[in-house]
Amino acid sequence: KAGVTQTPRYLIKTRGQQVTLSCSPISGHRSVSWYQQTPGQGLQFLFEYFSETQRNKGNFPGRFSGRQFSNSRSEMNVSTLELGDSALYLCASSLGQAGNQPQHFGDGTRLSIL
Amino acid sequence: KNEVEQSPQNLTAQEGEFITINCSYSVGISALHWLQQHPGGGIVSLFMLSSGKKKHGRLIATINIQEKHSSLHITASHPRDSAVYICAVVRGADGLTFGKGTHLIIQP
Repeated sequence: KAGVTQTPRYLIKTRGQQVTLSCSPISGHRSVSWYQQTPGQGLQFLFEYFSETQRNKGNFPGRFSGRQFSNSRSEMNVSTLELGDSALYLCASSLGQAGNQPQHFGDGTRLSIL
Repeated sequence: KNEVEQSPQNLTAQEGEFITINCSYSVGISALHWLQQHPGGGIVSLFMLSSGKKKHGRLIATINIQEKHSSLHITASHPRDSAVYICAVVRGADGLTFGKGTHLIIQP
């Protein structure tokens, strides 16, 4: 069974640009969650999607958005990039609600803002 | 004060030693997760607990809901156990809230 796939693995952008990251969950998993990891803040929850609906959102500005498609694949978009958005972005999938199910993580997308 | 506190922040031990990593939290939770992150970023879910104790191979996780405390134990530690171990809690329908992690190094 294929694991969680995130693309691209690495990305370099400049301030002010926008970026879209993709996450394909494990087949059959309906929940996809997104996380940001930085050296200073550690891991932080961005949002969770379940059956194409945003179920939860963390404490991030509106520049961070996402969506989920009918095949459970999810995309995350960050607009007007700032230097502080440089981070490892991880997605995780689970069968049901993220917090109360084991999470399966992708390898992440490392985003660098110049 | 963080909602989730882990200790120690860093731990270096010799191969074969018994390892304990602690996680304390300040709010009522519905579940607690232990995660392992190796250099390069990949994260593996080790345990999800809401009560009691779970064991998988050389790893044991316990949780005391009344004390708001969980421990992760590694028996007969091995250099391949070297990683960052992260505790995360869930409140109701909220997303995960993470601790800062414990950096574990097991020396041969």
